[in-house]
Amino acid sequence: DVKVTQSSRYLVKRTGEKVFLECVQDMDHENMFWYRQDPGLGLRLIYFSYDVKMKEKGDIPEGYSVSREKKERFSLILESASTNQTSMYLCASSTLRTRLFFGPGTRLTVL
Amino acid sequence: SQQGEEDPQALSIQEGENATMNCSYKTSINNLQWYRQNSGRGLVHLILIRSNEREKHSGRLRVTLDTSKKSSSLLITASRAADTASYFCATDARGSEKLVFGKGMKLTVNP
Repeated sequence: DVKVTQSSRYLVKRTGEKVFLECVQDMDHENMFWYRQDPGLGLRLIYFSYDVKMKEKGDIPEGYSVSREKKERFSLILESASTNQTSMYLCASSTLRTRLFFGPGTRLTVL
Repeated sequence: SQQGEEDPQALSIQEGENATMNCSYKTSINNLQWYRQNSGRGLVHLILIRSNEREKHSGRLRVTLDTSKKSSSLLITASRAADTASYFCATDARGSEKLVFGKGMKLTVNP
């Protein structure tokens, strides 16, 4: 069974902390994505990557960075967490122009 | 920037009825996809329709695509309580690997 896993289901951090959200896929997919989901705003793309060490900004990259050192792993980094980054974070992977496989999501609360 | 917009934003029906959801988008696309999300979980892919296709079926799902009107509809026939979820359309613009989601619409199927 294909799988996208995220390191935590729930996470609570304090303002100013550095936060790492990890995502791993076992399908040898080229593309990986990070979205955040907020009520009334739907899913918004933060960053995506189409190859190892490659990254592209999505629609809301400010305050985030990403790392893709290995094909199966795509990390989202909040350099200095702020309360407006409290959200549900969803990771997904795909091969070229096909369906996305989503992880279960990480609900991050920044206090 | 949001590419797709679902309509209506919320729909409540009785079990056994059909549910129709619409999606409008702005730019030329490679394909359009529909996803379902149960409360607090990751998204699950339902169906993908390519820009050169007009209609596609999968079980109780029927998707149509009208590229001249930049719109798609998702029909769920003989709905069940288990179909209660949020539904999202997503598009990838020509020349891009980005998949952009609409804000979603909430379907409630009452037993």
